[in-house]
Amino acid sequence: NAGVTQTPKFQVLKTGQSMTLQCAQDMNHNSMYWYRQDPGMGLRLIYYSASEGTTDKGEVPNGYNVSRLNKREFSLRLESAAPSQTSVYFCASSEGRGLETQYFGPGTRLLVL
Amino acid sequence: AQRVTQPEKLLSVFKGAPVELKCNYSYSGSPELFWYVQYSRQRLQLLLRHISRESIKGFTADLNKGETSFHLKKPFAQEEDSAMYYCALSGRSGNTPLVFGKGTRLSVIA
Repeated sequence: NAGVTQTPKFQVLKTGQSMTLQCAQDMNHNSMYWYRQDPGMGLRLIYYSASEGTTDKGEVPNGYNVSRLNKREFSLRLESAAPSQTSVYFCASSEGRGLETQYFGPGTRLLVL
Repeated sequence: AQRVTQPEKLLSVFKGAPVELKCNYSYSGSPELFWYVQYSRQRLQLLLRHISRESIKGFTADLNKGETSFHLKKPFAQEEDSAMYYCALSGRSGNTPLVFGKGTRLSVIA
């Protein structure tokens, strides 16, 4: 099992460009999450999907959209990238919410110029 | 509102010395606490969780509801313990996603 996979690993964007970060899990988990990791700020939840067909905002959703394409895949879209979105993005999945162990992907490093 | 505070950004200890990574939380209901760890060039992974009361890699953590703390402890630090450690909180109902602290980087000096 690959666990949680993310593409791309690294991306450079210009301000105003758009892009989609892809995430997939092969553990048949119900819940999936997108976080951003910034120095001194820790991990902050952007959006999550408790189950297929549902999505909810996290702590820092502004400037992002998500799609839970199916049970396996959960994508994060930046419609108009800004330098403040320079970060490392992690996708995670878990069997359920809250009490279940979250399994993380390797991360996508995004630089917005 | 849920909040997790890790007061130390960086903690440096010598190999063989005891380690304590502090975590304090704020939550109105019954909390469940977790510690996640990120070793260099590895994925973030669960280290331990309060509900299972396990000891993983020599680390333990006790939930102190009076002090609203969940400090991570190890009696003798090893070089391989150097990593980023995150404390995280969820409500016992499981209906809310995890809230992470800002993390503490542990550096074990040989």
